[in-house]
Amino acid sequence: NAGVTQTPKFQVLKTGQSMTLQCAQDMNHEYMSWYRQDPGMGLRLIHYSVGAGITDQGEVPNGYNVSRSTTEDFPLRLLSAAPSQTSVYFCASRPKETQYFGPGTRLLVL
Amino acid sequence: AQRVTQPEKLLSVFKGAPVELKCNYSYSGSPELFWYVQYSRQRLQLLLRHISRESIKGFTADLNKGETSFHLKKPFAQEEDSAMYYCALGVTGGGNKLTFGTGTQLKVEL
Repeated sequence: NAGVTQTPKFQVLKTGQSMTLQCAQDMNHEYMSWYRQDPGMGLRLIHYSVGAGITDQGEVPNGYNVSRSTTEDFPLRLLSAAPSQTSVYFCASRPKETQYFGPGTRLLVL
Repeated sequence: AQRVTQPEKLLSVFKGAPVELKCNYSYSGSPELFWYVQYSRQRLQLLLRHISRESIKGFTADLNKGETSFHLKKPFAQEEDSAMYYCALGVTGGGNKLTFGTGTQLKVEL
């Protein structure tokens, strides 16, 4: 049982490049979400999903897209990276109450 | 809208001293409160949730609806308690959405 996994661990992008942050969970959780963690701002919700085929926006969705074609995977797409998206990104999943977090992806946008 | 306030960015205590990390929330409905901990360069993990009323690693937290607080306490700090602590608020029927505070860095000095 790997829990919540994220790839890559670290990524450097140039402004305007696109990329996908991968998130997978093997616990058959319906709920999954993406957060970004910035100094002094805590964790802010980007997008979330309550099941396959269902996604919704969180607090800071602009510049990010998500899809949920399977229960296991919840990728986060940056269509045109900006320096303001430099952050640590955490994926999380949960059955009912407790969120299980992935190890995070550190993204640097130059 | 819900809100979580952690007034201290940094709390420094000596080993063996009592610890209290403050958390106040704003929410008109019935809240679910959590404390998450993040050790250096590790993923966030759940420390406590108010509904379970348990003590984990010597930490306790009591929900005070009158004061809208969920302070985290430990009678005797240990060096291994040094970490970032986040208070989080879940809303009834809110699906996967948690609102996090900005976090408090606890530093336990010898």
